[in-house]
Amino acid sequence: GESVGLHLPTLSVQEGDNSIINCAYSNSASDYFIWYKQESGKGPQFIIDIRSNMDKRQGQRVTVLLNKTVKHLSLQIAATQPGDSAVYFCAENWKDSSYKLIFGSGTRLLVRP
Amino acid sequence: NAGVTQTPKFQVLKTGQSMTLQCAQDMNHNSMYWYRQDPGMGLRLIYYSASEGTTDKGEVPNGYNVSRLNKREFSLRLESAAPSQTSVYFCATNRNGEETQYFGPGTRLLVL
Repeated sequence: GESVGLHLPTLSVQEGDNSIINCAYSNSASDYFIWYKQESGKGPQFIIDIRSNMDKRQGQRVTVLLNKTVKHLSLQIAATQPGDSAVYFCAENWKDSSYKLIFGSGTRLLVRP
Repeated sequence: NAGVTQTPKFQVLKTGQSMTLQCAQDMNHNSMYWYRQDPGMGLRLIYYSASEGTTDKGEVPNGYNVSRLNKREFSLRLESAAPSQTSVYFCATNRNGEETQYFGPGTRLLVL
């Protein structure tokens, strides 16, 4: 399949363990954050989002945490499964006159059976 | 409901050749975007269109042109391809007033 990133940081976890993927964002004025999952050879797929007036949001098996003080975002995946193996990107909305997302470089998650 | 579709899936070009990448969406979204994705880097915005009839430059517009043909379709044109344009190109869409973008499957372009 297509290599999304040859030099991405990689997180390797055992199947069934919890995964935590971290992201530092750059613009303190950003008010919306989103996590995408990208499997090999496919386009990014929306996972979960959060607004800056929240510090935690939960979805199905996923939780996003936002720490505005240190401009840090994390994605927690509970009971990681082989199907979670992918590259994960965070993105922030640089709030200006348009809804443009600025993407991080991504983290590769490998799930060991 | 196909969502966002892109054609072609793969393309090999020689330096100096031209081509148009096509994107179509059936989600009735107003905004459409073109990104490129290179190894070790996140998605970088090439051009976007907030609505039919409008287009604006993104972060890396040089060497590209776009056309918002109608509400459904947004094309990306390389007039004279260069090896530096070897990349994976993604189209995305969203509704006006919403930040969540939905992506197509991508076009893998190799310029020799």
